[in-house]
Amino acid sequence: RKEVEQDPGPFNVPEGATVAFNCTYSNSASQSFFWYRQDCRKEPKLLMSVYSSGNEDGRFTAQLNRASQYISLLIRDSKLSDSATYLCVVIFTGGFKTIFGAGTRLFVKA
Amino acid sequence: GAGVSQSPSNKVTEKGKDVELRCDPISGHTALYWYRQSLGQGLEFLIYFQGNSAPDKSGLPSDRFSAERTGGSVSTLTIQRTQQEDSAVYLCASSTGQGVTDTQYFGPGTRLTVL
Repeated sequence: RKEVEQDPGPFNVPEGATVAFNCTYSNSASQSFFWYRQDCRKEPKLLMSVYSSGNEDGRFTAQLNRASQYISLLIRDSKLSDSATYLCVVIFTGGFKTIFGAGTRLFVKA
Repeated sequence: GAGVSQSPSNKVTEKGKDVELRCDPISGHTALYWYRQSLGQGLEFLIYFQGNSAPDKSGLPSDRFSAERTGGSVSTLTIQRTQQEDSAVYLCASSTGQGVTDTQYFGPGTRLTVL
């Protein structure tokens, strides 16, 4: 079983739609959680950190469920510019070993 | 300010040759990470540096891979006797090193092709 698993998609949604991605992790000692975004043939960039209490940044909402060991990302009012691959990232307690999920591809259509 | 830079941007080599990839982190960042990303795959953690030391080398795929960092700044990733399966994009990232919640800033990567 992979340490971090994501649905690869692709998710094809119209502009204005709401879309949600989930990510599961296997190591209960995981400490820190993030969502990164990667555009085609570009480097990943931080989208947002994920906190236990949940956090929101504009149209983006991230949630963490430690009991079930999953992280979610909700995108509201999708824009064409949201088309990208979304990477779930987990860092294990006690170290800096950073595990990336394989990513979920999102296509937003006009 | 300047971001993370990597060189070369592209490298084509023949099977069996050695290659050296370079990463210049953001000035003042003490933490540095190497990853590789194969076509259509996620990022695979290779190694992490805090300053010049690498407390976690567990991700290096084989003993053909080595990395060093000098002066708490520039890092080089060396692959000896390259194989075709080494073909990938090698990404470097740096962070302030203050904690596990740090943002990692990525360089543009080196695309390695082994013929």
